[in-house]
Amino acid sequence: AQSVSQHNHHVILSEAASLELGCNYSYGGTVNLFWYVQYPGQHLQLLLKYFSGDPLVKGIKGFEAEFIKSKFSFNLRKPSVQWSDTAEYFCAVNGRGYQKVTFGTGTKLQVIP
Amino acid sequence: NAGVTQTPKFQVLKTGQSMTLQCAQDMNHEYMSWYRQDPGMGLRLIHYSVGAGITDQGEVPNGYNVSRSTTEDFPLRLLSAAPSQTSVYFCASSPSRGGYQETQYFGPGTRLLVL
Repeated sequence: AQSVSQHNHHVILSEAASLELGCNYSYGGTVNLFWYVQYPGQHLQLLLKYFSGDPLVKGIKGFEAEFIKSKFSFNLRKPSVQWSDTAEYFCAVNGRGYQKVTFGTGTKLQVIP
Repeated sequence: NAGVTQTPKFQVLKTGQSMTLQCAQDMNHEYMSWYRQDPGMGLRLIHYSVGAGITDQGEVPNGYNVSRSTTEDFPLRLLSAAPSQTSVYFCASSPSRGGYQETQYFGPGTRLLVL
């Protein structure tokens, strides 16, 4: 089985602050990892993904995430957040050969102007 | 491309009623899934399908049925609605590559209220 844990449920930052959202997964094999974002009133969309190769992946809107295999982590980062980054962020894992995708419980980010 | 479409956008049901949530995609994706989103619980997988004629259960399948007669459509049926099924339901589709999932594309969601 696979699982995902997101440590921060609600984060409040001021504009220009740096962001790091934690994500840890559990699976005994190779994984695909995703971060999805849900802006207020909108449906989920992909922010970035890791399948293989460079463990530092860059996504849309200046977001990046680093896959650290030894720590089973895939933390999301952004050096300087904007008010428009206010949204809910979900980490997800798909173990290779395992058809299901498992989502974390989500982190609500509120950016204060 | 319309992507993933869901109908209805909002529905109110009484306990015990049945209904079908519709989901369709025009991207020829093999993999389709249904999730429910509840506050503090993230997205939980209800049922999924890896192709026409093939469905399987997710984490929270009780009270729901699915079928996949075509690649495009993946309806979710609530057999006898209960207040615990009040939620936002999302349908998603993705291409499947070598036994694992690619990026999922989500529909706009259906808000269901069961009284």
